[in-house]
Amino acid sequence: EVQLVESGGGLVQPGGSLRLSCAASGFSFSSYWMHWVRQAPGKGLVWVSRIIGDESVTSYADSVKGRFTISRDNAKNTLYLQMKSLRPEDTAVYYCVRGGSSLGENWFDPWGQGTLVSVSS
Amino acid sequence: DIQMTQSPSSLSASVGDRVTITCRASQSVSTYLNWYQQKPGKAPQLLIYAASSLRSGVPSRFSASGSGTHFTLTISSLQPEDFETYYCQQSYSTPFTFGPGTKVDIK
Repeated sequence: EVQLVESGGGLVQPGGSLRLSCAASGFSFSSYWMHWVRQAPGKGLVWVSRIIGDESVTSYADSVKGRFTISRDNAKNTLYLQMKSLRPEDTAVYYCVRGGSSLGENWFDPWGQGTLVSVSS
Repeated sequence: DIQMTQSPSSLSASVGDRVTITCRASQSVSTYLNWYQQKPGKAPQLLIYAASSLRSGVPSRFSASGSGTHFTLTISSLQPEDFETYYCQQSYSTPFTFGPGTKVDIK
């Protein structure tokens, strides 16, 4: 069974840092694009970042560029999101999502259960 | 960035009704369009990918079509478990943007 389990969320003050982790199992992790998608309370879905299987390509939403860093450890089947200079508007549930294994397969399936990040003083 | 819109933003329907949700892109996304269902407090789940391909395990009452800038998701006969929120998402270019969602509730 394909499974994604996020961890690392919590309450952090504005300007602070947090690192999210996502443990993947049940598939060939290194073969897939992986993404982070977030959802602010009561709001819609927003794509945050993606990383290719061999880590050679990453992309970010403009709202997090320069503050967030996506990475992965294929030996540990784990995806990360390092978040710095956090702002109240970064408050959201962060989902780890599997993308495709080949060019053009950019649908998101499956999704992890999400981890809540709250940025507040 | 490609902007996605959905209509209606919400709809009320009854079990057994046929419902259609429309998604429009601000520029052509070819068939790089996906649909997700989200239950309250849960992660979204993929229903349809590549505009019209039904994900394995998704009931056949769900169907979708479209290309370019205009897409539709149809539920042929609403079941009690279908009263949820539906999002479209373009996967043509980053940032991969989502529509604002359509909430389907019970009339």
